[in-house]
Amino acid sequence: DSGVTQTPKHLITATGQRVTLRCSPRSGDLSVYWYQQSLDQGLQFLIQYYNGEERAKGNILERFSAQQFPDLHSELNLSSLELGDSALYFCASSPTGRFDYEQYFGPGTRLTVT
Amino acid sequence: AQSVAQPEDQVNVAEGNPLTVKCTYSVSGNPYLFWYVQYPNRGLQFLLKYITGDNLVKGSYGFEAEFNKSQTSFHLKKPSALVSDSALYFCAVRARSGGSYIPTFGRGTSLIVHP
Repeated sequence: DSGVTQTPKHLITATGQRVTLRCSPRSGDLSVYWYQQSLDQGLQFLIQYYNGEERAKGNILERFSAQQFPDLHSELNLSSLELGDSALYFCASSPTGRFDYEQYFGPGTRLTVT
Repeated sequence: AQSVAQPEDQVNVAEGNPLTVKCTYSVSGNPYLFWYVQYPNRGLQFLLKYITGDNLVKGSYGFEAEFNKSQTSFHLKKPSALVSDSALYFCAVRARSGGSYIPTFGRGTSLIVHP
C-alpha cells in the first residue's frame, strides 16, 4: 500500500459527460501528479501541483483541468468526454516538487467512456 | 525533444538467469533517472533512482541499475530472476519542457520470467 488513495476505482460514463477523479496524497507529501495510462499512448504525464499551486503541465487536454485543495487532496476534472478518454488515470505524490524524489502511485481510476 | 526509450516491448528470461531491461535517455543537463514496476491492476511502485553519485545504484527486490553517461543508458539488472519478477517495468527521466521540468516515462517493458 503506497498511502495514496484514489476514488472511484471504476467509472463508466457516456460521451459528452463530465467526471471528477479524486486523489489523496501520502501524509506529508506536498506534490501531486496526474497521469493517463492507455495501451496506445503509454503512461502520459498530465499535470503536477505542489502545495496548492500548479507546478508543471504535460500533455493535458483543454477539456481536462485539475486543482489541489488546502488539505492537499487533488481532483482531476474531465469534461466533454470522448471514447478516446477511456484509460487508467493515476495519481502520484512525493514530498518535493523537484523530481529528485520518487513518486508514490495510487491504485488508479479506470474510466470507461461509452 | 527530451525523451526516454525502452527498446524492448518484452523480455523473456528463465528463472534463475540474470535479467536486463534496457533504457536510454535523451535530456539536457543532469538526468534524474528512475525505474518503476507495475503489477497487473496496480499502480506503479518505485524500484530505484539515480540522481548523483555512484553509477551503480541498488534498489528494491534485488534490482540494480547502472548509469552510463557516455552511452546515455540506465539499464535495469538483476543477477537471478524470479517468476514473481514478471511485471511491467518503466524507466522515467526528469525532462525539460519549456520553462519547467516534467516526468517522462518510457513505454514500458513487459518482463516474463519462465519457471
